[in-house]
Amino acid sequence: ELKVEQNPLFLSMQEGKNYTIYCNYSTTSDRLYWYRQDPGKSLESLFVLLSNGAVKQEGRLMASLDTKARLSTLHITAAVHDLSATYFCAVDLSTGNQFYFGTGTSLTVIP
Amino acid sequence: AAGVIQSPRHLIKEKRETATLKCYPIPRHDTVYWYQQGPGQDPQFLISFYEKMQSDKGSIPDRFSAQQFSDYHSELNMSSLELGDSALYFCASSLKRREGLGQPQHFGDGTRLSIL
Repeated sequence: ELKVEQNPLFLSMQEGKNYTIYCNYSTTSDRLYWYRQDPGKSLESLFVLLSNGAVKQEGRLMASLDTKARLSTLHITAAVHDLSATYFCAVDLSTGNQFYFGTGTSLTVIP
Repeated sequence: AAGVIQSPRHLIKEKRETATLKCYPIPRHDTVYWYQQGPGQDPQFLISFYEKMQSDKGSIPDRFSAQQFSDYHSELNMSSLELGDSALYFCASSLKRREGLGQPQHFGDGTRLSIL
């Protein structure tokens, strides 16, 4: 069974600081997705990474994928309070239609 | 842009009752997925449909069943409800992945099911 792990699980950071969330997965896949979820709300698609070395940036968030290391990172630059949310990575396999979600990282940005 | 529509938004049931959740995918999306998310948990995949046929099956209990209709909407039927079924149930839709292309799943707002 594919396992997807994120760390840290909880992250509290001050506004203006930088930090990285890590997503490790246990089997070969070259498709990785990042989602954001506010409490009690839906999951919002942030990034789709489709190949080794893929890097995508949107505002203060940048995601990358290393398929050989089975690792994706979500880097936060100069955090602002509006980024407070839970961030999930998800992996899918070419053989199926389901997403395997990571454990989630609950981010709190403190003014 | 049209999004995934789920109904109802909230549902309260008692143990051993039945419930039906509905999902209307984004127009022209051909794949529908159902997920269950408990408090503080990551979404757990239940079942998916591609072109009205069951595609993949995850951790869906035998008490639950689902189907996709000719208009592509999907329903999740839940019977003999238990306290542990209390959760947020998401439906997502996407275009069927072509080889080498990843298609993000677009999620609805969810149905919050509470079992008393």
